[in-house]
Amino acid sequence: DQQVKQNSPSLSVQEGRISILNCDYTNSMFDYFLWYKKYPAEGPTFLISISSIKDKNEDGRFTVFLNKSAKHLSLHIVPSQPGDSAVYFCAAGEGGSQGNLIFGKGTKLSVKP
Amino acid sequence: GAGVSQSPSNKVTEKGKDVELRCDPISGHTALYWYRQSLGQGLEFLIYFQGNSAPDKSGLPSDRFSAERTGGSVSTLTIQRTQQEDSAVYLCASSRKWGGSYEQYFGPGTRLTVT
Repeated sequence: DQQVKQNSPSLSVQEGRISILNCDYTNSMFDYFLWYKKYPAEGPTFLISISSIKDKNEDGRFTVFLNKSAKHLSLHIVPSQPGDSAVYFCAAGEGGSQGNLIFGKGTKLSVKP
Repeated sequence: GAGVSQSPSNKVTEKGKDVELRCDPISGHTALYWYRQSLGQGLEFLIYFQGNSAPDKSGLPSDRFSAERTGGSVSTLTIQRTQQEDSAVYLCASSRKWGGSYEQYFGPGTRLTVT
């Protein structure tokens, strides 16, 4: 049973517009959430994270929103650029008691010029 | 500084053979993780090591899988009697410390194909 779900396998967005990637989780013990970006033939690279004590974290064009009551988080990319085209993975962890992260299946973002 | 490195980058093996995959973590990182990504799937946790503590092996899919970490640095993931369902990209990651709040840095992965 998947604890972290990314229900959209792919997303296509026009350059300059907003990209919104969604992620849902089921385990209420998760208290730390991360987004990773992955290009083909490379390992995932860390993008942005948020802890459960916050509902928003912003880093340049990337913003992550956390809605704990809905067990939902989203990644907003504004404005989207063609170089953002990659697979984006949502991950969750129990910061205080567990070391491993639980990953979603990923969403493939395509940003068209 | 150097990132996480993995070798080989690609491995093709026959069903039933044993394989060893190697991971060199970032120097000074005490936590090391192994994940795998099968086609169309997310990253599946396999095992992690933290310092000198006993590893968390809860993600290993069967007893054909084992891993060790020598001297708190290099790690080897061994798959015995490989099966076709073992075909996947095996990713290693390290972090400065153990815990979900510490960013994990990933290597490029080893693509394993079992024929």
